[in-house]
Amino acid sequence: SQQGEEDPQALSIQEGENATMNCSYKTSINNLQWYRQNSGRGLVHLILIRSNEREKHSGRLRVTLDTSKKSSSLLITASRAADTASYFCATAGSNDYKLSFGAGTTVTVRA
Amino acid sequence: DAGVTQSPTHLIKTRGQQVTLRCSPKSGHDTVSWYQQALGQGPQFIFQYYEEEERQRGNFPDRFSGHQFPNYSSELNVNALLLGDSALYLCASSRQENLGQPQHFGDGTRLSIL
Repeated sequence: SQQGEEDPQALSIQEGENATMNCSYKTSINNLQWYRQNSGRGLVHLILIRSNEREKHSGRLRVTLDTSKKSSSLLITASRAADTASYFCATAGSNDYKLSFGAGTTVTVRA
Repeated sequence: DAGVTQSPTHLIKTRGQQVTLRCSPKSGHDTVSWYQQALGQGPQFIFQYYEEEERQRGNFPDRFSGHQFPNYSSELNVNALLLGDSALYLCASSRQENLGQPQHFGDGTRLSIL
């Protein structure tokens, strides 16, 4: 079973617009990570936010974490066609070696 | 600097057969994890190997087994294949020092069961 859920399941935006996706999870975490997966390829790590952090930035990415609500959001600013992909959140538990993934958000950026 | 490599890229098997998938971790990494990703779903953790031992296992039956070699490469074996085993099998590597480290993924093996 999935640890978390992403919302929305799919998102279609115009190039240059911002894309926001949300992730909810169920158990306490050590950190939360976001990954990107292009069609037919492996996952690529984008950003990690620790449980004691509230916001983190990396280039055009902004991640927030609200541990009281067990939720996170990923914002991609000024989207490009190359951002078209599936995005997954993954949680790492405090005494856990595994990552638990949500079902993902599919983002399509239209030129 | 080679990333995570997996072989083969595609595989077709029939029900009841056995399959072995292979993975070489990223240079400098000593920990290998395997994930199963069904179509339209997120990856599901199968197990993780470190120091040639299975360190943690997800909710998968004993038909799924693995091995890690002294050079840190790894194999995933699945016996008595079922139609439901059709999926993308992803290998991920990391360094073991800290829990919950970012994982480096290979491009996976697409397994189809007929």
